[in-house]
Amino acid sequence: DGGITQSPKYLFRKEGQNVTLSCEQNLNHDAMYWYRQDPGQGLRLIYYSQIVNDFQKGDIAEGYSVSREKKESFPLTVTSAQKNPTAFYLCASSSYGSGTISPHEQYFGPGTRLTVT
Amino acid sequence: DAKTTQPPSMDCAEGRAANLPCNHSTISGNEYVYWYRQIHSQGPQYIIHGLKNNETNEMASLIITEDRKSSTLILPHATLRDTAVYYCIVNRGGGTSYGKLTFGQGTILTVHP
Repeated sequence: DGGITQSPKYLFRKEGQNVTLSCEQNLNHDAMYWYRQDPGQGLRLIYYSQIVNDFQKGDIAEGYSVSREKKESFPLTVTSAQKNPTAFYLCASSSYGSGTISPHEQYFGPGTRLTVT
Repeated sequence: DAKTTQPPSMDCAEGRAANLPCNHSTISGNEYVYWYRQIHSQGPQYIIHGLKNNETNEMASLIITEDRKSSTLILPHATLRDTAVYYCIVNRGGGTSYGKLTFGQGTILTVHP
């Protein structure tokens, strides 16, 4: 079945440690995204990538890093510089459209709930 | 991208139509209206999108006013499984805003028996 896989579902880390969240998709989508969600809030965009070996900062990129070495994979590293890393992290992907056509559907993974103490 | 305004919560009886409003008075001509929903502790799910015309798919209908300043998502026969947070999003195609969906706080729809 095609879809997006995020692992693990729950992740616990000590403060000061870097942690990498996994995101894999087998939908052959060009674009991938990372969002963060805090309790009772909407999603906020951290990073996005439209093509392999290229990515752009979203609205809240500070304290995070990403890589896009393969089309299928877009891992997110939460660094020790992120002041409030405890959150629900969601990865998404979409098909690439032309420059004037908006992607009409983003597919989301099940999310990783990160707790840092 | 245009900002959207949604009521924080709504209730609906099971089997009845759920009508979720969204205001987007600053929408520009090339911006689409998207609806997503998020069931508790899961990733959001795409529902429907539209530009100018009303749209219908197997999940819902989208009614966009003629001036495009507001829209309504209609779930024709709500079930308990439709209880979720519903997000109305306006997004411009292409350029630096490609794919950058801005999620507000959405509307919490509760479907009760």
